[in-house]
Amino acid sequence: AQSVTQLDSHVSVSEGTPVLLRCNYSSSYSPSLFWYVQHPNKGLQLLLKYTSAATLVKGINGFEAEFKKSETSFHLTKPSAHMSDAAEYFCVVSDQAEYGNKLVFGAGTILRVKS
Amino acid sequence: DTGVSQNPRHKITKRGQNVTFRCDPISEHNRLYWYRQTLGQGPEFLTYFQNEAQLEKSRLLSDRFSAERPKGSFSTLEIQRTEQGDSAMYLCASTIQADLNTEAFFGQGTRLTVV
Repeated sequence: AQSVTQLDSHVSVSEGTPVLLRCNYSSSYSPSLFWYVQHPNKGLQLLLKYTSAATLVKGINGFEAEFKKSETSFHLTKPSAHMSDAAEYFCVVSDQAEYGNKLVFGAGTILRVKS
Repeated sequence: DTGVSQNPRHKITKRGQNVTFRCDPISEHNRLYWYRQTLGQGPEFLTYFQNEAQLEKSRLLSDRFSAERPKGSFSTLEIQRTEQGDSAMYLCASTIQADLNTEAFFGQGTRLTVV
């Protein structure tokens, strides 16, 4: 089974409308979850992370994500998209007991923002 | 120190040639990772170092691949007898602690094209 499944390979929204990027993970233990963003010709940048504290996590640039254990989901949202949000987004899981000492990435979701 | 630095940024090589990439992590980061990213996929773990010790290698890392981190500072990744399937973006990341919940900082990557 996939460790991290990003349900949409591409998402297209209009500027000013909400963004939803979906992620489901597979972990039998207590995972930590992250969202990273990758802009063209730039390195991966951490948006936010969940590490067993509050289930609603706020990140940079107005993004937030909610950890739902019952649904094994960690969807990324933003109330209002900006043109600068256009990039590729990766959902990432870490769980030392299950995956060892590494981050496990989803396949990515490319976000397009239309003016 | 502005972040993780990788060199070269791009490398084009003929099949069968050897190539070497370098990663300079953020100063005093004791853990260093190598990942590989192919088109349409998320980064896949290759190997990681804790200081100078290489502690884990993925099954993706064939015998043609070798990584070193002498003195626990910069790291090199060498690919011998390159094949077209080695064409990918090679990413390096570093983190200051052994705790996976700590943010991993990524370099911009080295894009390898094998012709």
